[in-house]
Amino acid sequence: RKEVEQDPGPFNVPEGATVAFNCTYSNSASQSFFWYRQDCRKEPKLLMSVYSSGNEDGRFTAQLNRASQYISLLIRDSKLSDSATYLCVVNHGGATNKLIFGTGTLLAVQP
Amino acid sequence: DTGVSQDPRHKITKRGQNVTFRCDPISEHNRLYWYRQTLGQGPEFLTYFQNEAQLEKSRLLSDRFSAERPKGSFSTLEIQRTEQGDSAMYLCASSNRGRSSGANVLTFGAGSRLTVL
Repeated sequence: RKEVEQDPGPFNVPEGATVAFNCTYSNSASQSFFWYRQDCRKEPKLLMSVYSSGNEDGRFTAQLNRASQYISLLIRDSKLSDSATYLCVVNHGGATNKLIFGTGTLLAVQP
Repeated sequence: DTGVSQDPRHKITKRGQNVTFRCDPISEHNRLYWYRQTLGQGPEFLTYFQNEAQLEKSRLLSDRFSAERPKGSFSTLEIQRTEQGDSAMYLCASSNRGRSSGANVLTFGAGSRLTVL
């Protein structure tokens, strides 16, 4: 079983739609959680951290369920510029704090 | 320069040749990571340095791979006797150690794309 699992998509949605991505992780010792965004042929960039109480940044809402080891990202009012791959990322814990990435979910917002 | 720099951006080599990639992290970051990414996959962890010490290596890193960070600043990743399966994007990232909200967040370089013919 992969440490971080995501639906690879692609998700094809019209502009203005609401889309949700889900992610599960296997290491219960994980302490930090993130969503990164990666544009085609570019490096990953931090979109937002995910906190236990849930957090929102504009049109983006992230949720964490530690009991189910589940993370989600909700994007409201999708824009064409939201088209990208969204990577679910989990801190592995331990001394190195290495981040483990999911395979990513591809989002294509259509005009 | 406020970002992570990687060089070269692209490398095409023949099977069996050695290649070396360089990473210059953000100057105040003491943690440096190497990842590898292939098409359709997320980045896979290769190795981690805290200052000059290499503290963890993935089992993905065969004996043909070696990484160094001699002075705790820039790092190099060398691949000896390259194979076609080594073709990938090699990403370097750096972060700070600490308890602030920005700590442990990785900032990636643009990557070094390797093609082994």
